[in-house]
Amino acid sequence: DIVMTQSPDSLAVSLGERATINCKSSQSLLYSSDNKNYLGWYQQKPGQPPKLLIYWASTRQSGVPARFSGGGSGTDFTLTISSLQAEDVAVYYCQQYYINPYTFGQGTKLEIK
Amino acid sequence: QVQLVESGGGVVLPGRSLRLSCAASGFAFSHYGMHWVRQAPGKGLEWVAVISLDGRNKYYTDYVRGRFTISRDNSKNTLYLQMNSLRTEDTAVYYCARVGVEGVPYFDYWGQGALVTVSS
Repeated sequence: DIVMTQSPDSLAVSLGERATINCKSSQSLLYSSDNKNYLGWYQQKPGQPPKLLIYWASTRQSGVPARFSGGGSGTDFTLTISSLQAEDVAVYYCQQYYINPYTFGQGTKLEIK
Repeated sequence: QVQLVESGGGVVLPGRSLRLSCAASGFAFSHYGMHWVRQAPGKGLEWVAVISLDGRNKYYTDYVRGRFTISRDNSKNTLYLQMNSLRTEDTAVYYCARVGVEGVPYFDYWGQGALVTVSS
């Protein structure tokens, strides 16, 4: 199975500041035939189901604010929130869909400093 | 808009069975594969199973293979998860989620979840 490891486990950032979450996979998620990274990012607020933010490592889902961006390739990926808003407090998960079982990172809890 | 509504959760004894349902609306259900994903209390997300749009292909995590069965009824726009031989470690909120566009297996829409508690 592909193991997904996120860092840090928790993060406190001031309002308006940048937040960066890292995700590392145990094998490359870059599929050579289409040159796409099979990696998604999800946001889960307390008491709610997860919500898709990013797919193909860097494509924002419709309706997701532009302050959310994804980057990276191969085995190392990042989710960046350019200017943290109060409503961004949540747990964030990366997930690989390169091969099943489709595995998630352990989650990163983002709080306001 | 896309809606996914799970039902059928509850408290069940170890070794017993339970069937979850997921009613879909707001999209052409028969055109999309569907997943089940679970989340144990206070824990992270774990993918459970996926079924193709026509129901022919099914894949499971090793932890439930042979005990859980995913199925669908496209005439009723409903996804199912039959859970047999339940264990205490199966206690979780179970979410149904839609496979992404063009069959790419990320999860683009999620239901609110159904809580399954396995306890004696």
